[in-house]
Amino acid sequence: SQQGEEDPQALSIQEGENATMNCSYKTSINNLQWYRQNSGRGLVHLILIRSNEREKHSGRLRVTLDTSKKSSSLLITASRAADTASYFCATDSRESGGSNYKLTFGKGTLLTVNP
Amino acid sequence: DAGVIQSPRHEVTEMGQEVTLRCKPISGHNSLFWYRQTMMRGLELLIYFNNNVPIDDSGMPEDRFSAKMPNASFSTLKIQPSEPRDSAVYFCASSLDGAVDTQYFGPGTRLTVL
Repeated sequence: SQQGEEDPQALSIQEGENATMNCSYKTSINNLQWYRQNSGRGLVHLILIRSNEREKHSGRLRVTLDTSKKSSSLLITASRAADTASYFCATDSRESGGSNYKLTFGKGTLLTVNP
Repeated sequence: DAGVIQSPRHEVTEMGQEVTLRCKPISGHNSLFWYRQTMMRGLELLIYFNNNVPIDDSGMPEDRFSAKMPNASFSTLKIQPSEPRDSAVYFCASSLDGAVDTQYFGPGTRLTVL
């Protein structure tokens, strides 16, 4: 099953508005990452937040992490049409009984910013 | 500054044919990943290499899939024989140090098996 799951699946807003996407996960993590994917392109790393951090900023991006609730949120402020993309959270996890960690991606939130 | 390079960008083939996808990771990165993305299953990790050695291939669907990394600057993912259900976008990614480090993705190969 997916370690990270984004909510909502799709979000449509007007340019200038803020967009908030959420990610929930099941098992404990060392860090959580957010990626963006424009249509027909590869994923691009946005930001990484470690399990001992509660909030992190990068430009118009703000990420929060609540390890007690096993959830994270990505806020994009003053959205632009160019922010239209799918956004994925990725958590590090390992199979039960396994020794290898790997990133597990959610299915993403499709954000549409209308001009 | 070259990112991850994948070829071909698009591949259309007939069922039963062999397909080979290629990837050149970012120079200096020691980990390489192959992912498959479909609408139904999302992004799935197929296999990853660390220092050219396969570490986790538990995501490889079946024996029809194989991956190699003969050196630090080249990897292949081969499907033989291909089936229509293999149609997907295949991404290669690399990271500086390990599976949970920031990953840099290539543009992907869109595979269509007829």
